[in-house]
Amino acid sequence: DTGVSQDPRHKITKRGQNVTFRCDPISEHNRLYWYRQTLGQGPEFLTYFQNEAQLEKSRLLSDRFSAERPKGSFSTLEIQRTEQGDSAMYLCASSVRGDTQYFGPGTRLTVL
Amino acid sequence: DQQVKQNSPSLSVQEGRISILNCDYTNSMFDYFLWYKKYPAEGPTFLISISSIKDKNEDGRFTVFLNKSAKHLSLHIVPSQPGDSAVYFCAADTDSWGKLQFGAGTQVVVTP
Repeated sequence: DTGVSQDPRHKITKRGQNVTFRCDPISEHNRLYWYRQTLGQGPEFLTYFQNEAQLEKSRLLSDRFSAERPKGSFSTLEIQRTEQGDSAMYLCASSVRGDTQYFGPGTRLTVL
Repeated sequence: DQQVKQNSPSLSVQEGRISILNCDYTNSMFDYFLWYKKYPAEGPTFLISISSIKDKNEDGRFTVFLNKSAKHLSLHIVPSQPGDSAVYFCAADTDSWGKLQFGAGTQVVVTP
């Protein structure tokens, strides 16, 4: 097992388009988290799953954002009708409940 | 509402010397603290953590100190090496929720 993976690593899109990111956590990690990081800031919590259940969503996660983890393994984060303010690094992390979170390499989104 | 603060955006240190990174927090409910290191174009990498029941944790060249009364923690790196040049993030958690609150990071540059 090589750790958390994310795909794509980079995404450039035009304003108004929809984008979807994928995260594959470390095997047997029952928790999966999504964070967003903008330049000069630390990662900000967006949402997390325990197995397939989405347990909490941040106020940062507007109605244009949706996340799923259908079988309790990989997760997808979709942004509809992208805006320039959505440009950021989207980070995924996984953990066993209550234990250290391990991060993937991130997906850098640029909205033109 | 920034509950975790790293007030030094950058730190320059000579190779072989000690690096001291500081972090302050405002939420007294935080009971678990972590330090992550981040290289450009990569996700954060876990370094070391400390529970609020301890005041010190050591792992090789890295030591984290926690002063609960002052709501302050620090990371000491001894001796500093060129490969330590990176951005360091302090993060805090409550009751193992996993909803990490991050500081804005400190850019460390280790010079020969």
